Amino acid sequence: DSGVTQTPKHLITATGQRVTLRCSPRSGDLSVYWYQQSLDQGLQFLIQYYNGEERAKGNILERFSAQQFPDLHSELNLSSLELGDSALYFCASSSGQGVQTQYFGPGTRLLVL
Amino acid sequence: GESVGLHLPTLSVQEGDNSIINCAYSNSASDYFIWYKQESGKGPQFIIDIRSNMDKRQGQRVTVLLNKTVKHLSLQIAATQPGDSAVYFCAENRGDYKLSFGAGTTVTVRA
Repeated sequence: DSGVTQTPKHLITATGQRVTLRCSPRSGDLSVYWYQQSLDQGLQFLIQYYNGEERAKGNILERFSAQQFPDLHSELNLSSLELGDSALYFCASSSGQGVQTQYFGPGTRLLVL
Repeated sequence: GESVGLHLPTLSVQEGDNSIINCAYSNSASDYFIWYKQESGKGPQFIIDIRSNMDKRQGQRVTVLLNKTVKHLSLQIAATQPGDSAVYFCAENRGDYKLSFGAGTTVTVRA
C-alpha cells in the first residue's frame, strides 16, 4: 500500500458525460501528479500540482482539468467524454516538487460507453 | 518521441533464476531514474531508483545499473519468485517534474 488513495475504483459512463476522479496523497506529500494509462499509449503524464498550484502540464486535453485543494487532495475532471478516454487514471504523490520518487495510487478504471 | 524504452516487451524466467530487464534512454539531460513494478489491476509500485551521479544501487534482491555512456539502465532481480511476475517500467525524470515511462516489460516466472 503506497498510502495514496483514489476513488472511485471503477467508473462506467456514457459519451458526452462528465466525471470527477479523486485522489488523496500520502500524508505529508505536497505534490500530486495525474497519469493516464491506456493500452496503446502506456503511462502518460497529465498534470502536476504542488501545494495547490499547477506546476507542470503534460499531454492533458483541454476537456480535462484538475485542481488541488487546501487539504491537498486533488480532483481530475474529465468532460465531454469520448470512447477514447477509456483508460486507467493514476494519481501519484511526492513530498516536494522537484526530482523525487512518486508513489502511485491504485487507479481509477474509466470505461466510456 | 519518447526517450525511455525497454529492449524486450516480454521476459520469461525460471523460478530461482536471476532476471535482467533492460531499458534504453536517449536524453542525456535525464538525471533520475526509477523502476516500477505493476501487477495486474494495481498501480505502479516503486522498486528502486538511481540518480545520474551513481552507476549502481542495490536493494533487497534488486540491483539497478546505470551506464550513462551508452544511456542504458537495467534492473536485476535475484532469485526470481512467482510474485515477481508483473510489468516492469523504467521511468526517467529530466528535471521538469514529470516522469516519462517506457513501454514496459512483462515478466513471467515459470515454476
